Amino acid sequence: KAGVTQTPRYLIKTRGQQVTLSCSPISGHRSVSWYQQTPGQGLQFLFEYFSETQRNKGNFPGRFSGRQFSNSRSEMNVSTLELGDSALYLCASSFSINYGYTFGSGTRLTVV
Amino acid sequence: LAKTTQPISMDSYEGQEVNITCSHNNIATNDYITWYQQFPSQGPRFIIQGYKTKVTNEVASLFIPADRKSSTLSLPRVSLSDTAVYYCLVGDMNTGGFKTIFGAGTRLFVKA
Repeated sequence: KAGVTQTPRYLIKTRGQQVTLSCSPISGHRSVSWYQQTPGQGLQFLFEYFSETQRNKGNFPGRFSGRQFSNSRSEMNVSTLELGDSALYLCASSFSINYGYTFGSGTRLTVV
Repeated sequence: LAKTTQPISMDSYEGQEVNITCSHNNIATNDYITWYQQFPSQGPRFIIQGYKTKVTNEVASLFIPADRKSSTLSLPRVSLSDTAVYYCLVGDMNTGGFKTIFGAGTRLFVKA
């Protein structure tokens, strides 16, 4: 079965712009989590959605937001981009909040 | 949420057994221990998960002492393709908290 699909794979944006990243979970998975990975900070948890509700949230500013649709697909949005937002953004899906999860290959965002 | 401490890096040779230890002194009663493997520019991949004593699968073994304040991931007879970053996560399976904290990981380098 298809894995976790993230689009786009690569993205270049300018400071001050906003960006929306998309994640399609594995079919049947209702939990979607988002992570930011940078060389300096490592893997950091952004938020988790389950059945369209945010269940867990990491320690990121309000510029980072997300949502989940009824088909479990999820989007995350970053507004007023800063250079420090350049990172690999990873999405992971699981059947439920207390199940192990599968990661996508990520979206590499570069802010210039 | 329990934090974890792992060695920053380890070197090994092909065919050797590698043991990576993770410290989690404030692990809670409901917390599980999960290990992930990550290759460059890819999302982490689940290796193994356990609560106590020993868990073994086709890839690795996980040893957890009675006090659960540490755990050891054991990779038998590593190959060059096992060169990767290994993450230990600890968290509550019931709330999804086990997904939220990735440590810095251990960078394993396998040499020929």
